[in-house]
This record gives sequence, structure tokens and C-alpha cells, in this order.
Amino acid sequence: QITLKESGPTLVKPTQTLTLTCTFSGFSLNTRGVGVGWIRQPPGKALEWLALIYWDDDKRYSPSLKSRLTISKDTSKNQVVLTMTNMDPVDTATYYCAHRSLEVDAFHYWGQGTLVTVAS
Amino acid sequence: DIQMTQSPSSLSASVGDGVTITCRASQNVAIYLNWYQQKPGKVPRLLIYDASRLQSGVPSRFSGSGSGTDFTLTISSLQPEDFATYYCQQSYSLWTFGQGTKVEVK
Repeated sequence: QITLKESGPTLVKPTQTLTLTCTFSGFSLNTRGVGVGWIRQPPGKALEWLALIYWDDDKRYSPSLKSRLTISKDTSKNQVVLTMTNMDPVDTATYYCAHRSLEVDAFHYWGQGTLVTVAS
Repeated sequence: DIQMTQSPSSLSASVGDGVTITCRASQNVAIYLNWYQQKPGKVPRLLIYDASRLQSGVPSRFSGSGSGTDFTLTISSLQPEDFATYYCQQSYSLWTFGQGTKVEVK
């Protein structure tokens, strides 16, 4: 079955760069149409899509955050990495990675999420 | 950017009630509209994709309709486990979520 799990720091300081890793199993990021995305949710607030990487290494970013985000993949390790630069307290959120399939352009499988707090 | 607006932001209902949530896109998204359910402290769950297709395992009391810019999620008879926050999401051009609709106990 498909599983995803996020890992990374729980606390970062303002202006630092956040690096999160999504480790997945049950699918291959070499399969046509497959993608892995990142979504975040500040405490008590709505979901916000951040970035997605496709099987062919095509990358998509949220326009409002594009200048701060980089997404990459390591198919040999079944991992997707998201970096976000210049972190600010407003970036405090639970960060999720999620699977996007060829057949359904939606996020069906999600990781458990990881809470990242930005504070000095 | 495509913006998604849900209404209402919250609603109160009782078990057995019919509930309708509306989602409006700032431009045409065809049928590329998904609905998710999220309970407190839990991961979002995909309910409906492509506006009206029920995800496997989702109860038939959930249904979706619409195309273009206007969409609805309907719960025909609210069950205790349905009290949650619901999000729409467009996948026509990148991905954008609505601000959520919280369904609370009346």
C-alpha cells in the first residue's frame, strides 16, 4: 500500500532555510503521471498547496512562494525534498507530502504531517 | 492564480440533516474540482474528485456536482462522523484549496 512520511526539523529560526524530506513507499516516482506534492496548514487555518514534482522531474510551484521554494527527488531513495528559504513565523505550519496519481489529479494519499515552528 | 471561495465558512446541523457546501472558482476549472474532509488533528481525506466522482470507500451520502466555476458538495443525511471541515481544491491549473467549511453540531 502507498505510504508517505515527512521528516525534518520541528523548530527553525527566522531567516533560516527549512529542508523537509518525504520518504514514500508503495509506488514509484518513475511511473508516468505520478507526482508528489507538498501542502501546508498553519494551526487552525486552511490547507495551502506549495509545490509538486512529477515523475519526469517537471516541477510546479505556488506562485506566491515560488521564489522561496525548491523541490527535488531522489528516485533511488524514494524521497522528495522540499526546501523553503527565509523562514518567518508566519510559515509555522504542519507540512504534508502527498501522492498524485495519473488517473486522479488529486491528493489521495497523504503523509501524517510534520509540525514546523518558526521562532527565535 | 485561480482563487477558490467556499460558502458558508461554517454551518451548524443535526444528525440526519441534509447539508450543502458551495465552492466557487475565480475562473473556469472545467470539472477539475476535488473535495476533502478533515477532522481535527487528522490528515485530509479525499472524498470526491473530478467534481462528482466518489472516491472508493466514501459513503454514498456524499455527492458532488458542478462544472466551470460553481460546485457543490452535498451530504444527504449527516452522520456523527461527518462533523468535520471540508475543503474544495481545483486541479485545473496548479492546485488551490478553498478556505474550508466547518460543519458543526447544532
